[in-house]
Amino acid sequence: EADIYQTPRYLVIGTGKKITLECSQTMGHDKMYWYQQDPGMELHLIHYSYGVNSTEKGDLSSESTVSRIRTEHFPLTLESARPSHTSQYLCASRAGGGAASTDTQYFGPGTRLTVL
Amino acid sequence: AQRVTQPEKLLSVFKGAPVELKCNYSYSGSPELFWYVQYSRQRLQLLLRHISRESIKGFTADLNKGETSFHLKKPFAQEEDSAMYYCAPTRDSSYKLIFGSGTRLLVRP
Repeated sequence: EADIYQTPRYLVIGTGKKITLECSQTMGHDKMYWYQQDPGMELHLIHYSYGVNSTEKGDLSSESTVSRIRTEHFPLTLESARPSHTSQYLCASRAGGGAASTDTQYFGPGTRLTVL
Repeated sequence: AQRVTQPEKLLSVFKGAPVELKCNYSYSGSPELFWYVQYSRQRLQLLLRHISRESIKGFTADLNKGETSFHLKKPFAQEEDSAMYYCAPTRDSSYKLIFGSGTRLLVRP
């Protein structure tokens, strides 16, 4: 079934650990996005990609990094997690061929990260 | 800087009452505006886009360029409308959505 997946759904980890949040989509979408959202606050775009080997930083500065080696896969990595990284991370994707005003952006279920 | 403002964190109405969720934006150029919704334990999903001039689940939204607003309206709220609603304009052709902080709509029986 065409969908967008995120793993893990919940992660509790200690300070200083390296973590990778996985995002995969089986919809064949070119464009993928990572958003960060603190409880009750706005979603902030932190990374996006328009295709394989294309990655850009978003509006909110983030210490995380991303890669796009395969169309369907867009993992986010934190080399050394800190309590300030505690947040929810949402992955999204969109088809690349249509007009921006008509293509729908699809969201994954999110990963809730807690760094102790 | 482009901004989107949703002034109400919580909007509580009774079933059958009209509802209006406010959204104001600060954006240069011609924005494309969307409303996204997140029901309890579900993913964030598109509700409607202004360019389509559509009505989804009884909701409509009109772009008012003079007031730079894109309020979401429904004449008769239903309990199943209870959710978080996010207003989101796009940034030019790059389609980077800018989300507001969201408004929680609570429809009471």
